[in-house]
Amino acid sequence: NAGVTQTPKFQVLKTGQSMTLQCAQDMNHNSMYWYRQDPGMGLRLIYYSASEGTTDKGEVPNGYNVSRLNKREFSLRLESAAPSQTSVYFCASSEEVNSPLHFGNGTRLTVT
Amino acid sequence: AQSVTQPDIHITVSEGASLELRCNYSYGATPYLFWYVQSPGQGLQLLLKYFSGDTLVQGIKGFEAEFKRSQSSFNLRKPSVHWSDAAEYFCAVVHEPSGAGSYQLTFGKGTKLSVIP
Repeated sequence: NAGVTQTPKFQVLKTGQSMTLQCAQDMNHNSMYWYRQDPGMGLRLIYYSASEGTTDKGEVPNGYNVSRLNKREFSLRLESAAPSQTSVYFCASSEEVNSPLHFGNGTRLTVT
Repeated sequence: AQSVTQPDIHITVSEGASLELRCNYSYGATPYLFWYVQSPGQGLQLLLKYFSGDTLVQGIKGFEAEFKRSQSSFNLRKPSVHWSDAAEYFCAVVHEPSGAGSYQLTFGKGTKLSVIP
């Protein structure tokens, strides 16, 4: 049972480059989330999708876009990467928005 | 501002000693409460949750937490710590800011636990 799968695990970008982080879950969960984790800041919500077909901004959405491709997949796109976006990104899913989260293992992104 | 506070950034305990990690929240209604654990290089794993009912909840790995409404706290405890418990622990709160069925999950900034053999 894979749970939540994120790709890639590591990525290095130059300032201004774009990339998409992929996330897929096989638990038939309705809600999916993207967080970033920075030292001393805990986890901050970037975007979430309460259900297929909907997306909403979280605490730190600027510089990011998301797509809920289908019930399984929720991607995060950086259109023009900036050094401030250097972080570890976690995808998570839950049955509903007030249910416990299941996390992927993270993507470590460095923007130079 | 509404928030989740974990006052201790880093705690060190000896193996076999008891542990208490503190968590306070500042939301008006009784929220849903969670504790997650993160081992190095891993995602977060749910330890336990409180939705309603008995205010003392049991979780995995021998952890428990007690919800105290009067103190707006949800502290995590373990009677005897094992070296494998060394990790970072996050308290999280689901709350309903607008009261219209729109829920948000907010994490505390985490407490890193070190265990001395």
